[in-house]
Amino acid sequence: LAKTTQPISMDSYEGQEVNITCSHNNIATNDYITWYQQFPSQGPRFIIQGYKTKVTNEVASLFIPADRKSSTLSLPRVSLSDTAVYYCLVGLGWTDKLIFGTGTRLQVFP
Amino acid sequence: EPEVTQTPSHQVTQMGQEVILRCVPISNHLYFYWYRQILGQKVEFLVSFYNNEISEKSEIFDDQFSVERPDGSNFTLKIRSTKLEDSAMYFCASSPGQGSYEQYFGPGTRLTVT
Repeated sequence: LAKTTQPISMDSYEGQEVNITCSHNNIATNDYITWYQQFPSQGPRFIIQGYKTKVTNEVASLFIPADRKSSTLSLPRVSLSDTAVYYCLVGLGWTDKLIFGTGTRLQVFP
Repeated sequence: EPEVTQTPSHQVTQMGQEVILRCVPISNHLYFYWYRQILGQKVEFLVSFYNNEISEKSEIFDDQFSVERPDGSNFTLKIRSTKLEDSAMYFCASSPGQGSYEQYFGPGTRLTVT
């Protein structure tokens, strides 16, 4: 499984756009890139998944360059409720297990 | 919106006792999972379950652990002879299909072993 590297923590203010970058130099051809969010004392929650270029949903955008060695989760206009840990996951399509790293702890200030 | 539910929300047990953690996955999902998260640490995969059998398990999931789908709605994790280091949040998850990275997690059961 590809190893991922992301910042341990980030700070932001309400209303700002937040970009969290994840490095995955050893990503395989079959691998998708998936992001999860976890609030304290809650289970992780799926945010977005992509393979290449750009994916957007109602919550976030995911940017993946052509070489796919990194990806950026973009959260537009964050609010206090976006304070959470964000996990970047990269894995094989034929396994069901999610391998979580340490994630990025995002703190949003008023 | 359908959701995964787990009971109890908090379980306190004495070392050496057996506990059963219960989960009700989303009704039309076919794949079920258990994860655990020791306080302040990463979420760790324990086991995946499909078609009434284990499809994958981690090295954490040894003979102390077992899973069962006793009826059409519940999915349980049994931990025998609990140890202090089993204290953690245990999350159940379900997904509609194989190889899906969109897994739906429950709120967790906090297990405290004293």
